Amino acid sequence: DTAVSQTPKYLVTQMGNDKSIKCEQNLGHDTMYWYKQDSKKFLKIMFSYNNKELIINETVPNRFSPKSPDKAHLNLHINSLELGDSAVYFCASTPTDTDAGYTFGSGTRLTVV
Amino acid sequence: GENVEQHPSTLSVQEGDSAVIKCTYSDSASNYFPWYKQELGKRPQLIIDIRSNVGEKKDQRIAVTLNKTAKHFSLHITETQPEDSAVYFCAASIAGNQFYFGTGTSLTVIP
Repeated sequence: DTAVSQTPKYLVTQMGNDKSIKCEQNLGHDTMYWYKQDSKKFLKIMFSYNNKELIINETVPNRFSPKSPDKAHLNLHINSLELGDSAVYFCASTPTDTDAGYTFGSGTRLTVV
Repeated sequence: GENVEQHPSTLSVQEGDSAVIKCTYSDSASNYFPWYKQELGKRPQLIIDIRSNVGEKKDQRIAVTLNKTAKHFSLHITETQPEDSAVYFCAASIAGNQFYFGTGTSLTVIP
């Protein structure tokens, strides 16, 4: 009954590979996000989806593409992985147009070797 | 867009002392200010939040204050315990929209 779940929790892959991270929320929230947390712990927003519409894209390389098959899912696909992509990726969700905090997923630690 | 600054980046206190973390924001339209605690290897978790129509909010040993005129808000932790050791993030947003996070404060409580 986890509210926001991400898979996998750990991902180790070689440079140049393509990988996907999945996120699902069962909270009925309208908006979902992907954040990247680097080694300095800074939380940088990558994407958000509201009712399957991309509403934010913060200068993220086009190797990263979000895919939302429905309101409860927001997956992250990464092409041609680079060493600098190594980080922890967090999915989060929130209801729209209300004052409510994000609920974060447990994170995916991506290591590119 | 919004710019949130957070200080200090690291903070060490003796167990039982108080800890204060300060944030400033730039967009006067921001009206929702959550605080998150992230323990090592875990997800950020909401610990307290405050809305712009309130100046102070308290939950047991944690309190948050907001000064809209000066555009700053602070987290206060009293009677600190070792389990309070974590990275704390402030954020600012306009209700229902993207959060802008501060750069985090690594708090260490020394037993």
